[in-house]
Amino acid sequence: GIQVEQSPPDLILQEGANSTLRCNFSDSVNNLQWFHQNPWGQLINLFYIPSGTKQNGRLSATTVATERYSLLYISSSQTTDSGVYFCAVERIGGSRLTFGEGTQLTVNP
Amino acid sequence: NAGVMQNPRHLVRRRGQEARLRCSPMKGHSHVYWYRQLPEEGLKFMVYLQKENIIDESGMPKERFSAEFPKEGPSILRIQQVVRGDSAAYFCASSPPSGREQYFGPGTRLTVT
Repeated sequence: GIQVEQSPPDLILQEGANSTLRCNFSDSVNNLQWFHQNPWGQLINLFYIPSGTKQNGRLSATTVATERYSLLYISSSQTTDSGVYFCAVERIGGSRLTFGEGTQLTVNP
Repeated sequence: NAGVMQNPRHLVRRRGQEARLRCSPMKGHSHVYWYRQLPEEGLKFMVYLQKENIIDESGMPKERFSAEFPKEGPSILRIQQVVRGDSAAYFCASSPPSGREQYFGPGTRLTVT
């Protein structure tokens, strides 16, 4: 099956700092999504981004499908950004999302 | 437009009992997916259903687990004779017929005592 690797596994920031999270995948995909799992366990859809660049407030994401990676940028981080960020992909011809192991982000005040 | 609904949000069962988890997809969505998140782990695919059809159940454990999505009503994930290792968060997602983006519900947290 398709492999999804996220880096870094853990990240600790001071409030106001910027960060970049990376997602590498091993096969061509027709779906890539970024999620934030908050400390209460809820999964929040951040981006649907199989290719290209999108921005939503302080968050933006870029997927370079030909090179099989995606980046999630968080600017001016806030304590409420803390949680686990998951990348999930669906390979071409597939019907399921395969999740990476996540990046645990802690933003300190 | 309400999001994906799951109930109950928390479920406690004793070993050997049955657990029934319900999922109502977003309006207009006909595709339903179930994922399981074991403690301190990522999410793993279990099953993909369309109305009255199981499309892909390759992620389902071979015994005790079943899923359905009837013509009317919510999708049901049923776990018979639960064991402690079934304790996890179970997430349901839905997508529209014409799209690939999956929208996730709040999850059901199952605890087996």
